[in-house]
Amino acid sequence: EVVLAQSPATLSLSPGERATLSCRASQSISSYLAWYQQKPGQAPRLLIYDASKRATGIPARFSGSGSGTDFTLTISSLEPEDFAVYYCQQRTNWLITFGQGTRLEIK
Amino acid sequence: QVQLQESGPGLVKPSETLSLICSVSGYSISSGYYWGWVRQPPGKGLEWIASTSQNAGTYYKTSLESRVTISLDTSKNQFSLRLSSVTAADTAIYYCARDRIVGATAVFDLWGQGRLVTISS
Repeated sequence: EVVLAQSPATLSLSPGERATLSCRASQSISSYLAWYQQKPGQAPRLLIYDASKRATGIPARFSGSGSGTDFTLTISSLEPEDFAVYYCQQRTNWLITFGQGTRLEIK
Repeated sequence: QVQLQESGPGLVKPSETLSLICSVSGYSISSGYYWGWVRQPPGKGLEWIASTSQNAGTYYKTSLESRVTISLDTSKNQFSLRLSSVTAADTAIYYCARDRIVGATAVFDLWGQGRLVTISS
C-alpha cells in the first residue's frame, strides 16, 4: 500500500498570502495524484488530477506540481473561502489511499 | 446533473452489520464507472473502503475486505455497503462517491453529502 504523508499538518496564513502544501508518496506514483478540498460539514471536492491539472470549475489560483514521490499544491493568493482541509489521494495496484490532510487556517 | 445521496440507520450496535444505500440520480450506474465508499471518523481523515462496477468487478481496502460487501442494484440505480462485526472504531461519516479515471488518475469526482453512522449500544 502506498502511504501518502502530507505536511505541514496545519498551515496558518492570511488572506492574500501564498500557500504551499506538500504530499510525499512512499513509492513512485508517476503523476497519478489528486488533491481535494474539504470544508466543515461538506464532502470533499476534487481540485486537481494528474498532479497538475485543475478539475472543472476550479479557480486558476490553485495549481499542482510534482511527479514520482513529491507533490505540491499551491494556492497563489488565498481567498477567505480557501481556508479548509486539503487531502492528496492516489490509486496503485487497485488500492486507494489518502494523505492525512493539511488544515489551512486563518492566521 | 449527477447526484448521490446516502441513506441508512444512523445508529448501529456493536457486533452488528452496518448497512447503507447510495441512490444515484442523473446517471445510470450500469453505464460505467466505479461506485465507491469512503469514510471519515469524526475529526479525522478520509479512508477509502471499496469500489464496485457493473462490468469491471470490485476492489477493496485490504484491511476491511473480510467485513465488507458492496453491491449494485441497477434496477433502482443504487449501490450499497454492508460492513459486518462493527465496533466503535467504525463510527464515521460514510460517503458514497463516483470513482473514475479523469485524465490518467483514479479520482472521486462526485460525492454524496455523507451519512454519520455511530456504533454504540
